Amino acid sequence: KAGVTQTPRYLIKTRGQQVTLSCSPISGHRSVSWYQQTPGQGLQFLFEYFSETQRNKGNFPGRFSGRQFSNSRSEMNVSTLELGDSALYLCASKSNSEAEAFFGQGTRLTVV
Amino acid sequence: AQSVSQHNHHVILSEAASLELGCNYSYGGTVNLFWYVQYPGQHLQLLLKYFSGDPLVKGIKGFEAEFIKSKFSFNLRKPSVQWSDTAEYFCAVNTGSGNTPLVFGKGTRLSVIA
Repeated sequence: KAGVTQTPRYLIKTRGQQVTLSCSPISGHRSVSWYQQTPGQGLQFLFEYFSETQRNKGNFPGRFSGRQFSNSRSEMNVSTLELGDSALYLCASKSNSEAEAFFGQGTRLTVV
Repeated sequence: AQSVSQHNHHVILSEAASLELGCNYSYGGTVNLFWYVQYPGQHLQLLLKYFSGDPLVKGIKGFEAEFIKSKFSFNLRKPSVQWSDTAEYFCAVNTGSGNTPLVFGKGTRLSVIA
């Protein structure tokens, strides 16, 4: 079966701009989580969506937001970009009956 | 709040050496434990997982891990590493039924030299 697909793979944005990242989960998975990966902080949880509702939220500022559509695809938006937002953003999907999460290849965001 | 500690930031081993990567977590209830691997330029892949039962779990590529509840540990082992095991390894935990977010350690970079 197809894996988790994230688009785009790479992005370069300027400080102050906003960006939208997309994630298509594995077919049948209704949970989508987003993580930020940086060399210094490792993987940090942003938020999780399940059936179009935010189920869990990490400790990130309100500039980071997300949503999930009825087909379980999810988008993550970051507004007013800062240099420190440069990172690899990972999406993971899982079924509600299992604890294992499957990850996409990520979107590498560079803010200049 | 839960946390996961991985004791080694960077490990360098020669081929055929044995590997043990430490992982400790802080949570007193029911946990689900995972080791993920990230090869250079690739996505995170699950190596192995523990939910319940036999505390010694075997994963892909010859890796295994042992859950020691009394020590809150889930160390990863491999008897003989290969150059192709060069990657970053992440320990992660979630709780209860598994519908809580995964909490990751900061990762251990493994470099295997010929």
